[in-house]
Amino acid sequence: ETGVTQSPTHLIKTRGQQVTLRCSSQSGHNTVSWYQQALGQGPQFIFQYYREEENGRGNFPPRFSGLQFPNYSSELNVNALELDDSALYLCASSVDGNTIYFGEGSWLTVV
Amino acid sequence: AQSVTQPDIHITVSEGASLELRCNYSYGATPYLFWYVQSPGQGLQLLLKYFSGDTLVQGIKGFEAEFKRSQSSFNLRKPSVHWSDAAEYFCAVAPSGAGSYQLTFGKGTKLSVIP
Repeated sequence: ETGVTQSPTHLIKTRGQQVTLRCSSQSGHNTVSWYQQALGQGPQFIFQYYREEENGRGNFPPRFSGLQFPNYSSELNVNALELDDSALYLCASSVDGNTIYFGEGSWLTVV
Repeated sequence: AQSVTQPDIHITVSEGASLELRCNYSYGATPYLFWYVQSPGQGLQLLLKYFSGDTLVQGIKGFEAEFKRSQSSFNLRKPSVHWSDAAEYFCAVAPSGAGSYQLTFGKGTKLSVIP
């Protein structure tokens, strides 16, 4: 049990639509990051938030955006969905950087 | 840019046999090093991590890993594999220092265990 909860677990969207994925972290976990894991690949870093500010971003276009809230929850938003966005999206949180806790992910299928 | 190479896509071992999963990294300095395990349809569970100090690191579930700076490697080992160890294993690196949570993962090694 990592204390990181993600929702929804599975969803199907149509190309061009927008999606919001949610993550709830343990109290005190002031850093949250999001990863995209395509089928058969390792996770890829999307971005990181620290105290509600984005402070790191991977090689993802601006249509990938996020929010972090004071209650240790966060969101990943993806606009103008493309077929290649189909993947497992993982949320990870940490309080001290020594241990990063991952949620079980949200499976997104774009058709 | 940092990168992680896991040369073995799929490994099959017999239950009770020893296991070694290879990981090589490319990075300007010594990064933080991690091994994660992922069961089908699940998230990632941390097996062990190396930040500094003793180069032989003990983790959960009987796993250990050895950091070899000269070879830029961080191989994962287990002396006796159990059927429940069948899963996908990911090696990852992160920049050393405070606030360094950006992990770069390898493509993973899938482990199958023969009873």
